[in-house]
Amino acid sequence: SQKIEQNSEALNIQEGKTATLTCNYTNYSPAYLQWYRQDPGRGPVFLLLIRENEKEKRKERLKVTFDTTLKQSLFHITASQPADSATYLCAPGGGNTPLVFGKGTRLSVIA
Amino acid sequence: GAVVSQHPSRVICKSGTSVKIECRSLDFQATTMFWYRQFPKKSLMLMATSNEGSKATYEQGVEKDKFLINHASLTLSTLTVTSAHPEDSSFYICSAKDRSRINYGYTFGSGTRLTVV
Repeated sequence: SQKIEQNSEALNIQEGKTATLTCNYTNYSPAYLQWYRQDPGRGPVFLLLIRENEKEKRKERLKVTFDTTLKQSLFHITASQPADSATYLCAPGGGNTPLVFGKGTRLSVIA
Repeated sequence: GAVVSQHPSRVICKSGTSVKIECRSLDFQATTMFWYRQFPKKSLMLMATSNEGSKATYEQGVEKDKFLINHASLTLSTLTVTSAHPEDSSFYICSAKDRSRINYGYTFGSGTRLTVV
């Protein structure tokens, strides 16, 4: 069955550092991979989508990579800020099929 | 653009009653919407896919008679939790995709916190 693993349940980093979150998937060959942010008591918010033929995508302080050979995506937040503290979810897939999420990584950026 | 409105945001109901949750796409049409539930500190669990004008597709283990889904228009899907029990207390979230937006993901509602007492 399809499986999504996000490297750690929680990650604490110092303000100003780069946060790197990992998403590994098995039994999938997704054409896309998506990253979302979820704050407590709120629905997820879309951040970035990367296609299988793209190695890297950037948006402001965010960078996503997608390695279809390793079946892995890395999500980076540079110059992290306390406001970046949230749970980050990865979801292989797209089109109009339902998304299945990993368990998420709860990021805490400490001032 | 691509806004999904979910209502109510919170609801408390008595055991045995039914609760309806609405999910609306405000600025796009959505032939398909998705319903999730989320337990505290857990990830989102897909419950069902709501299809406009046809029956919903339920995930394994989700009781279709318990969680009634209606998608009567291109902008509205509803989830009714019937004969609610305390174990149905959870955070329910809907989502949809604006197909006109390329390289864009799914839009989620702000969620409904259901408490059954």
